[in-house]
Amino acid sequence: KAGVTQTPRYLIKTRGQQVTLSCSPISGHRSVSWYQQTPGQGLQFLFEYFSETQRNKGNFPGRFSGRQFSNSRSEMNVSTLELGDSALYLCASSLEAGNQPQHFGDGTRLSIL
Amino acid sequence: AQSVTQPDIHITVSEGASLELRCNYSYGATPYLFWYVQSPGQGLQLLLKYFSGDTLVQGIKGFEAEFKRSQSSFNLRKPSVHWSDAAEYFCAVGARQAGTALIFGKGTTLSVSS
Repeated sequence: KAGVTQTPRYLIKTRGQQVTLSCSPISGHRSVSWYQQTPGQGLQFLFEYFSETQRNKGNFPGRFSGRQFSNSRSEMNVSTLELGDSALYLCASSLEAGNQPQHFGDGTRLSIL
Repeated sequence: AQSVTQPDIHITVSEGASLELRCNYSYGATPYLFWYVQSPGQGLQLLLKYFSGDTLVQGIKGFEAEFKRSQSSFNLRKPSVHWSDAAEYFCAVGARQAGTALIFGKGTTLSVSS
């Protein structure tokens, strides 16, 4: 059974640009969560989607958004990129919303120049 | 406030020696508890979880953890460490209801010396 797949693995952008990251959950998993990981702040929750609806949102500015499609695949978008957005973005899936445990992908490493 | 504390930022253990990584949490009710491991350039891999029942839980790779409600702790242990265990370890807590996120500790980096 394939794990959580995140694309792309690496991304380099410049300030002011926008970026879209993709996540395909484990087959049969309906909940997708996104986390930002940085050396200073650690792992921070961005948002969770279940059945194409955002169920929960972390304390991030509106530049961070996401969506989920009918096949449970999810995308997150960051607009007007800032240097501080450089991070590893991790996607995790679980069977149901709030139904732990969450299974993580290998992440997308985003670097802002 | 809900939080997870991993007091040790970095631990070095000799190969073959025992290991204990500490985790303390602050949460409104008894949460779900997890330990994850992350190798460089990788995502997080679930080592073990506690939902209810027996407070000593077994995980993958020979790890175990013990939930102590009175101490709000969920320490990770391994009797004999292997060089391949060198990685970063994260303790996390989550609520038992839908629509809540995992809260992670800052992580403990484990180095294994020969």
